[in-house]
Amino acid sequence: AQSVTQLDSQVPVFEEAPVELRCNYSSSVSVYLFWYVQYPNQGLQLLLKYLSGSTLVKGINGFEAEFNKSQTSFHLRKPSVHISDTAEYFCAVSDSRAYSGGYQKVTFGTGTKLQVIP
Amino acid sequence: GAVVSQHPSRVICKSGTSVKIECRSLDFQATTMFWYRQFPKQSLMLMATSNEGSKATYEQGVEKDKFLINHASLTLSTLTVTSAHPEDSSFYICSANYFSGGAGETQYFGPGTRLLVL
Repeated sequence: AQSVTQLDSQVPVFEEAPVELRCNYSSSVSVYLFWYVQYPNQGLQLLLKYLSGSTLVKGINGFEAEFNKSQTSFHLRKPSVHISDTAEYFCAVSDSRAYSGGYQKVTFGTGTKLQVIP
Repeated sequence: GAVVSQHPSRVICKSGTSVKIECRSLDFQATTMFWYRQFPKQSLMLMATSNEGSKATYEQGVEKDKFLINHASLTLSTLTVTSAHPEDSSFYICSANYFSGGAGETQYFGPGTRLLVL
């Protein structure tokens, strides 16, 4: 079984400042990692995902994340945030063994609310 | 591409009635769909995995007779909350697995359905 920890429930940041949203996971097997964004009263939108290869993953809307296996982390970063980035961000993990050929069951963290201050 | 819709977006019903929520993959076929429940200020909790043409797989603690899932076609899964009670009030989100060739599979989420049981 996997678990995901997002230590920061809320992160306020000024517009055009950089931001990092932290995510740590635990798993006894190799994993795939995801970041999703949820705007108010909407479903989730995939920002980026790590499957294999380069540990630095670039996603949509200028976000990127770095997979650090030794620290079991997958922190999300953006060098300059905009008002429109205000949303809730979920880190998620799935068992890589169930990925190809079958379906993936994804475990979500508790979410981090990013509030961009004008 | 890879758009998932849900209907209705919001529903209010009386205690004891049944409510059906539809989840559709609009521009792709999904052999597997997932149903999640999200409580206020909490993360998504996987309720069940819906496979086209077969019975759904429910997570531990989820009553299959309470939450009926039917995956009748490759583009439609329905969740019926039977004899709804106020404690069933929640935000229900579906997702569908989309295979994008070499990039593997990714879950795409619907916009969610907010259920309020009076």
